[in-house]
Amino acid sequence: AQKVTQAQTEISVVEKEDVTLDCVYETRDTTYYLFWYKQPPSGELVFLIRRNSFDEQNEISGRYSWNFQKSTSSFNFTITASQVVDSAVYFCALRGGQGGKLIFGQGTELSVKP
Amino acid sequence: EAGVVQSPRYKIIEKKQPVAFWCNPISGHNTLYWYRQNLGQGPELLIRYENEEAVDDSQLPKDRFSAERLKGVDSTLKIQPAELGDSAVYLCASSNPRGGTYEQYFGPGTRLTVT
Repeated sequence: AQKVTQAQTEISVVEKEDVTLDCVYETRDTTYYLFWYKQPPSGELVFLIRRNSFDEQNEISGRYSWNFQKSTSSFNFTITASQVVDSAVYFCALRGGQGGKLIFGQGTELSVKP
Repeated sequence: EAGVVQSPRYKIIEKKQPVAFWCNPISGHNTLYWYRQNLGQGPELLIRYENEEAVDDSQLPKDRFSAERLKGVDSTLKIQPAELGDSAVYLCASSNPRGGTYEQYFGPGTRLTVT
């Protein structure tokens, strides 16, 4: 069975702090894909990043960075120097190699206060 | 490029009434998904279409839910009759696996309230 766990339900930080959102996944597929989505208060899910199981290279995009570690089945997301506009619910998701279904975690609600 | 379009954005109905949601995917995206998102949870897949064909509807409650994707473009999701537990946000997403990418792009969703 496939499963995604985001143990942090809510996180609150003050602007300019760094924050890491944790994601742990379970799958028996040898090929799979991991995603992060942002859901602001408006409700629309915004795609942030995709990672293939065969590519463990970490990625940085501006203030965002992702740490993919197959050994611990984790795909953590770090926001550096957080801003109020980063306030949203963030979802980690898994897609197996054979099917198109995304398995989402429960989401982490990030609140960045000025 | 226009994103995934959904309508209506909000719908309030009484239980036992029918309701329908409409989705127009991103142009050229042959795969279309309907997800349901309950409050405080991540989205869960209801049905996936490859062009006109429903290739995964295992999570669709077929006694009251139905969906169609005529001509492989727009799609409609229907609930008849609605129950109180159907209150949720219904999200449509599309992707283009043939383009070599697997990202699913989501619409704004339809927030359904059943009273």
